[in-house]
Amino acid sequence: TQLLEQSPQFLSIQEGENLTVYCNSSSVFSSLQWYRQEPGEGPVLLVTVVTGGEVKKLKRLTFQFGDARKDSSLHITAAQTGDTGLYLCAGVVPGSWGKLQFGAGTQVVVTP
Amino acid sequence: DAGVIQSPRHEVTEMGQEVTLRCKPISGHNSLFWYRQTMMRGLELLIYFNNNVPIDDSGMPEDRFSAKMPNASFSTLKIQPSEPRDSAVYFCASSPPGSNMRGYTFGSGTRLTVV
Repeated sequence: TQLLEQSPQFLSIQEGENLTVYCNSSSVFSSLQWYRQEPGEGPVLLVTVVTGGEVKKLKRLTFQFGDARKDSSLHITAAQTGDTGLYLCAGVVPGSWGKLQFGAGTQVVVTP
Repeated sequence: DAGVIQSPRHEVTEMGQEVTLRCKPISGHNSLFWYRQTMMRGLELLIYFNNNVPIDDSGMPEDRFSAKMPNASFSTLKIQPSEPRDSAVYFCASSPPGSNMRGYTFGSGTRLTVV
């Protein structure tokens, strides 16, 4: 099993602050995806990064894929209360039929 | 598009009973995945299908668990007999061809409680 480690496990910040969540592995993935999950719902895809060194922006969210395709980060600028949720990174296992290996998640709480 | 549909949303059953969870993937998606989520272990892949064929069931905890996909629009996950440690949220997800880029779509999950 290719493990993905997320850090931190929990993050509490105030509205307007910035935050970064990290996702690290010793294994290479075909691509890496970030999901956000809210209570009582399934994870929802935010972004997919495929190329080593790739940077993608989604409004206030910036996603980076490491050059070696083993790690990724999610940066949120000027967090809002609506950003509260469980952020999950997931890597597509090479040679699989799209099999995703998930990290344990980072619980983000943004307070007014 | 109605998304991935799971039923029931909640299930409470007594230890030893059979439990069947159901999933309808998005039309046109050719891969289907069953995950289990707990606080202790996070999201665990149980089994996944490609074009209705089971590809990898190495995550199925034991013989009490079985999954079927008789056609492209329906899958079941069965636990027989159920045990309290099976209590978790079970998610079904589907993905289209080329899922490296397009990601999964998850259902809303079935919260299973075995008492």
